[in-house]
Amino acid sequence: NAGVTQTPKFRVLKTGQSMTLLCAQDMNHEYMYWYRQDPGMGLRLIHYSVGEGTTAKGEVPDGYNVSRLKKQNFLLGLESAAPSQTSVYFCASSYSASSVSNQPQHFGDGTRLSIL
Amino acid sequence: GQQVMQIPQYQHVQEGEDFTTYCNSSTTLSNIQWYKQRPGGHPVFLIQLVKSGEVKKQKRLTFQFGEAKKNSSLHITATQTTDVGTYFCAGNQNAGNNRKLIWGLGTSLAVNP
Repeated sequence: NAGVTQTPKFRVLKTGQSMTLLCAQDMNHEYMYWYRQDPGMGLRLIHYSVGEGTTAKGEVPDGYNVSRLKKQNFLLGLESAAPSQTSVYFCASSYSASSVSNQPQHFGDGTRLSIL
Repeated sequence: GQQVMQIPQYQHVQEGEDFTTYCNSSTTLSNIQWYKQRPGGHPVFLIQLVKSGEVKKQKRLTFQFGEAKKNSSLHITATQTTDVGTYFCAGNQNAGNNRKLIWGLGTSLAVNP
């Protein structure tokens, strides 16, 4: 049981290049999330999805796009990479939340992205 | 906007000493979760607290949720080197969008052997 798998694990881009980060989960989770983690900033939500075909903006969505064409996959795209997007990107997934509690989020190992 | 503050930001302890991190919200939380992230790793879920005044224990770790559901704490008794990492709290509001967690900035724990 792989859990949450992110590819690639490392990537170096030049300013202006584009790329897609892939996230796949095999736990049949409804919810999926993309975070970025920068030193001293904790985890910041970029975009999230509550089901196949649906996406929503998080705290820091500018410069990113996402798609969830299949329930098990959540893609994060950078159309024109900027040095400010150098970060560690984490994908997470969870079952749907009830009105009184959330479900634990399961994280992938992260993608370390450097933009020169 | 909704904020969850975590203190301290960093903590160095000698192995065997106790450690506590505190999480404070500006508004009432419906529930709160705690995660641990080892250096170079990813956050791993530890526990969720839902009820006012709730206390849960996991071996040497004790988690508390305040009576007003605005604060929470994680206490580690007799730290070990395996406790090294960053501890995050994350909660969601009592009302509004319950699909997103509000994350604290974390407390980084270093343990000297």
